[in-house]
Parts: sequence; C-alpha cells; structure tokens
Amino acid sequence: NAGVTQTPKFQVLKTGQSMTLQCAQDMNHEYMSWYRQDPGMGLRLIHYSVGAGITDQGEVPNGYNVSRSTTEDFPLRLLSAAPSQTSVYFCASSYSGQRKMAQYFGPGTRLLVL
Amino acid sequence: GQQVMQIPQYQHVQEGEDFTTYCNSSTTLSNIQWYKQRPGGHPVFLIQLVKSGEVKKQKRLTFQFGEAKKNSSLHITATQTTDVGTYFCAGRNTGNQFYFGTGTSLTVIP
Repeated sequence: NAGVTQTPKFQVLKTGQSMTLQCAQDMNHEYMSWYRQDPGMGLRLIHYSVGAGITDQGEVPNGYNVSRSTTEDFPLRLLSAAPSQTSVYFCASSYSGQRKMAQYFGPGTRLLVL
Repeated sequence: GQQVMQIPQYQHVQEGEDFTTYCNSSTTLSNIQWYKQRPGGHPVFLIQLVKSGEVKKQKRLTFQFGEAKKNSSLHITATQTTDVGTYFCAGRNTGNQFYFGTGTSLTVIP
C-alpha cells in the first residue's frame, strides 16, 4: 500500500493563480481531510469528508474548495491564490465513526504564493 | 470556538532527562490523539485516548487523559536523541473535526 500520497511536493504560484492539490489514499478510508500548517499555529483543518459525495468545512475554509467523487481521492482547489495561503498543506485519512483511530498523513505540499 | 492549547512551545532537555507536554481544551473532548512530527516530515500517529482518566504507555512514553476529558499530557522518560521532533495533541469534538494544539518542539542535547 502506498498510504496517502500528495502531489505536487512543491509549488510556487503568483497571486491570483488557481491550482489543485492532489491527495489519494489506498486504504479504503472513509474520512479524509486537509490541513494547513503554519509556524507556531499547529495544523488547522480546512475541509474534510466523511465519504464520497460528502464534504464539510473546517476551521479555515475560505479560499479553498474540495470535492469527493471517489473514496480514494480528495483534491483541494485554491481558487485565486493569495500570499496568506503560503503554507504547508497536509492531507490525511482515517476510518470514520466508531472505528476512527489514527489519521494517516501524506508527505505534504509546500506552497509559496508570491 | 473550539481551542486546544498546548504548552510549552519549546523544550530543550539534556539526553536522559524527562519531558512533558500538556494540552488543554476549552470544551470537553470525545477523544484525544497524539502525533509526532520530525523536522521536515509529516505528523505520525502515536496514540488515541478515549476514556476519562485513561492512561496508556508505550515504552518510555506515558499518555494521560484528564478526568473531565478537557486535558491531556504526554510524558517521556529518559529522553533520547531519537525523541527529537514536535509533539502535537489533537482533540476531537462530538462531530468529525480534530483541533490540533500548537505543538511542543523537543530538542534533546546529547
């Protein structure tokens, strides 16, 4: 199993550009989520999904969109990049409901918005 | 809104000394998880605590969940250089969201 994979690893954008961060998992996990990590602020939840076709907002959803058309994939879209979105983005997955235990994190995408 | 505070932010210890990091939530949690993140890496799951007053041990690591399910701690006995990293707690509310603490960065001086 590859676990949780994320692409790209690094990305530089100009203000106003859009892009999609890809996330995929092969563990048949129902729950998937996106976090951003900024120095001194821990990880903050952007969006999450409890299954295909179901998404919900986390703490910091503004400027980001998500969709979940399959169990395996959970892409994160930046609609119009801003310097404040410079961060490290982590995707994570786990079982949901009563079985929810470990969140498995991908290696992260480092995004710089100029 | 939901907040999970974690202290200290940084901790430097001599190898062999003990280390403790503390998490406090503004609301009652359904469970709490702990993660370790090495420099340049991604968070790796350590453990989940669910029951009030629960204590779990993993070799030199001891995890506690408070009686009111609003606080938790991670204690490392006799630190080693391999313990270096940032330790995060993540509290789950009654829904499906996890709220991460700000993390404690541990430096172990050989």
